Amino acid sequence: SYVLTQPPSVSVAPGQTARITCGGNNIGSKSVHWYQQKPGQAPVLVVYDDSDRPSGIPERFSGSNSGNTATLTISRVEAGDEADYYCQVWDSSSDQVVFGGGTKLTVL
Amino acid sequence: QVQLQESGPGLVKPSQTLSLTCTVSGGSISSGGYYWSWIRQHPGKGLEWIGYIYYSGSTYYNPSLKSRVTISVDTSKNQFSLKLSSVTAADTAVYYCARRNGDSPYNWFDPWGQGTLVTVSS
Repeated sequence: SYVLTQPPSVSVAPGQTARITCGGNNIGSKSVHWYQQKPGQAPVLVVYDDSDRPSGIPERFSGSNSGNTATLTISRVEAGDEADYYCQVWDSSSDQVVFGGGTKLTVL
Repeated sequence: QVQLQESGPGLVKPSQTLSLTCTVSGGSISSGGYYWSWIRQHPGKGLEWIGYIYYSGSTYYNPSLKSRVTISVDTSKNQFSLKLSSVTAADTAVYYCARRNGDSPYNWFDPWGQGTLVTVSS
């Protein structure tokens, strides 16, 4: 089945830019969605269809997808951005939803 | 705005059937255009898709769980439900219900319920 690979952790200082990657075979041909999950809370959609933002999500959150890597970029990182982030795709070869293993973003 | 709320027993004995219900408010399941989903998260782990259902009753399941999973919908109550049979400790997890947007399987999940912890233990 299709595998999405995320780094377990990313650390960034406040005000800097965080980049969280999601690797998969030819992921650039798929639509990638990103979720933010804070401790004890349900996931929240922050980016869909590679680079679109739901209403209410700050413009600081952006996404890109090409080749074998999709990237969630968080600009001007704030303490409140500290959370786990998950990427998600649909794998048509196995007819199932696939999530990445998640990346813990730490704001130093 | 649509909201989802899970309900059901927090403790299930091994070999029994886990049963959860998701109540949808702020919108009608039978209006169509969405798939109603179950997703779980083992303690301290990542997310695992269980399956989803359309208001008409069409279902799609994770192949790894398919033999034990049944998802059903009750449009009169604006609810959908999950049954997972023959549970073991490995099924201990937080169970979320969520709405999958649109008719395409490539779409995203939004919104999510708050989640409910189900522990499998004797």
